[in-house]
Amino acid sequence: NAGVTQTPKFRVLKTGQSMTLLCAQDMNHEYMYWYRQDPGMGLRLIHYSVGEGTTAKGEVPDGYNVSRLKKQNFLLGLESAAPSQTSVYFCATQDSGQGGYEQFFGPGTRLTVL
Amino acid sequence: GDSVTQMEGPVTLSEEAFLTINCTYTATGYPSLFWYVQYPGEGLQLLLKATKADDKGSNKGFEATYRKETTSFHLEKGSVQVSDSAVYFCALSQYNFNKFYFGSGTKLNVKP
Repeated sequence: NAGVTQTPKFRVLKTGQSMTLLCAQDMNHEYMYWYRQDPGMGLRLIHYSVGEGTTAKGEVPDGYNVSRLKKQNFLLGLESAAPSQTSVYFCATQDSGQGGYEQFFGPGTRLTVL
Repeated sequence: GDSVTQMEGPVTLSEEAFLTINCTYTATGYPSLFWYVQYPGEGLQLLLKATKADDKGSNKGFEATYRKETTSFHLEKGSVQVSDSAVYFCALSQYNFNKFYFGSGTKLNVKP
């Protein structure tokens, strides 16, 4: 039972390059989330999904796209990376949208954009 | 809108000292409240939670009580260890909503 996994763990991009971050979960959770973590700013929600085939914007969606073609996977794409997207990216899942349910986090992807 | 405010860190304590990390929230209705811990190089993991007013969440010697009258959920531990060194996040979620609101995190350093 792997829980929430993220691929890759580290990545260095040049400005303008593109990449996709993969989040996979084996907990059969409906809800999945992408956050970015920057020093002193806590976690900020980028995009989220309440089920297969659905996505929605979070607090800081600009410059990112997402897809949820399969329930167990949630992809985060950067079409044209910028230095401002240097951050640590976390995926999280949640069993239900109701209050009281915890979010489960992956180990993170550290992205550097030069 | 909903939000969470935590005391700024870092907090530096000696081993066996008493720990308090303050957390206050702004929210309508009756949110659920959480404390998460992040060890270096890892993702966040749930430390404890409380789902209604006056509930006390506890785990690994940490405690926090949901105080609606003061809109607070302060984290406490009677005797910290070096292994408690980490970043602690306070968070809230609303019933029937699918988002969490996280505080900015408080880094705790415990010295031997």
